[in-house]
Amino acid sequence: AQKVTQAQTEISVVEKEDVTLDCVYETRDTTYYLFWYKQPPSGELVFLIRRNSFDEQNEISGRYSWNFQKSTSSFNFTITASQVVDSAVYFCALSEAKSQAAGNKLTFGGGTRVLVKP
Amino acid sequence: DVKVTQSSRYLVKRTGEKVFLECVQDMDHENMFWYRQDPGLGLRLIYFSYDVKMKEKGDIPEGYSVSREKKERFSLILESASTNQTSMYLCASSLGPNTPNLPLHFGNGTRLTVT
Repeated sequence: AQKVTQAQTEISVVEKEDVTLDCVYETRDTTYYLFWYKQPPSGELVFLIRRNSFDEQNEISGRYSWNFQKSTSSFNFTITASQVVDSAVYFCALSEAKSQAAGNKLTFGGGTRVLVKP
Repeated sequence: DVKVTQSSRYLVKRTGEKVFLECVQDMDHENMFWYRQDPGLGLRLIYFSYDVKMKEKGDIPEGYSVSREKKERFSLILESASTNQTSMYLCASSLGPNTPNLPLHFGNGTRLTVT
């Protein structure tokens, strides 16, 4: 069975600090997808990134960056120079690609609440 | 932009009531999902549907049923609400059916309290 662990339940930083969110996953499949979603106070989860298991290149998008390490089954997310608007709950998720049904079943981590103070 | 709309933001129901949570998406997506969100547990899949009248159980289907009579609408039904079903319910959709692993588009959620 697949599993996603976000060990940090809450992180509090002061604006402009960097913050790294950890995500560790378990799966028996060799082909899978990893996702990060952001849930602001409004409640709607917003898609941030998708990465497949064959693409271990790190990715940067503005102040966001992601570090995928297959050897340690981790897909960590860093916010550089955090801002108050980054305050949200962030979820890491995993789906397996072996079938349509499996590919549509996301397994989510417990989420990490980030509070950025001015 | 894809719009996923959940009919209620907050609901308060009594134990034993039949509860309907409604979700509508406007982008002609084949796949629709119902998740439940609880603190520390993240989101857990209750049911999903990849076509009209089709449904598949997720990880926690007990106590729930679903209905998909039209492509744009996916309803979650609590046949007899219980206090342990107090939670935030999130509906989502994605393009399908032959394109799994696509990002999900979520609604704002319905916070259900069962007393």
